[in-house]
Amino acid sequence: GQNIDQPTEMTATEGAIVQINCTYQTSGFNGLFWYQQHAGEAPTFLSYNVLDGLEEKGRFSSFLSRSKGYSYLLLKELQMKDSASYLCAVRDRSDMRFGAGTRLTVKP
Amino acid sequence: DVKVTQSSRYLVKRTGEKVFLECVQDMDHENMFWYRQDPGLGLRLIYFSYDVKMKEKGDIPEGYSVSREKKERFSLILESASTNQTSMYLCASRILQGYEQYFGPGTRLTVT
Repeated sequence: GQNIDQPTEMTATEGAIVQINCTYQTSGFNGLFWYQQHAGEAPTFLSYNVLDGLEEKGRFSSFLSRSKGYSYLLLKELQMKDSASYLCAVRDRSDMRFGAGTRLTVKP
Repeated sequence: DVKVTQSSRYLVKRTGEKVFLECVQDMDHENMFWYRQDPGLGLRLIYFSYDVKMKEKGDIPEGYSVSREKKERFSLILESASTNQTSMYLCASRILQGYEQYFGPGTRLTVT
């Protein structure tokens, strides 16, 4: 089975940097994903890590340490539109499981 | 452009009714998934399918069944709806060896 843990809520200020952590336990690892979900909408794909290290994509970066069962999503230069839930997900041998999500509120 | 559609955005059903939730994708994806999303619990996998007529149980299959008669369509069936099945239901699809899952807009089901 899988356990995926991430903070329930976070608040940050517009223009700042925020890091959302995710820890996981899995019987077989085949990739870690971050999704963004605005209220009332479907999740949309942000990033994918399968090897250790940092993947950068514009203002968003995602880090993975497989030995520690740990990932984080880094959001830079926060904008009001970044207010959303951020879902950490892990794929094992067969399919993907999601964490409960972190609700990020960006304040002016 | 990738597209996953679900038959309804909002649905209200009575306890004991049989409920069908339909999902269609136009990307020729092999894999399709049904999740439910509840506050504090996140997305939980109900069933998934790798191919036509194939299905696998996810984490919470009890009270649900699925049907995949055509590659583009994956149906979720609640044989006898109960109030604890009130939830947001999300369908997703991806190619067999792909990593990105594409989600539909969701169906908010209320069982009274």
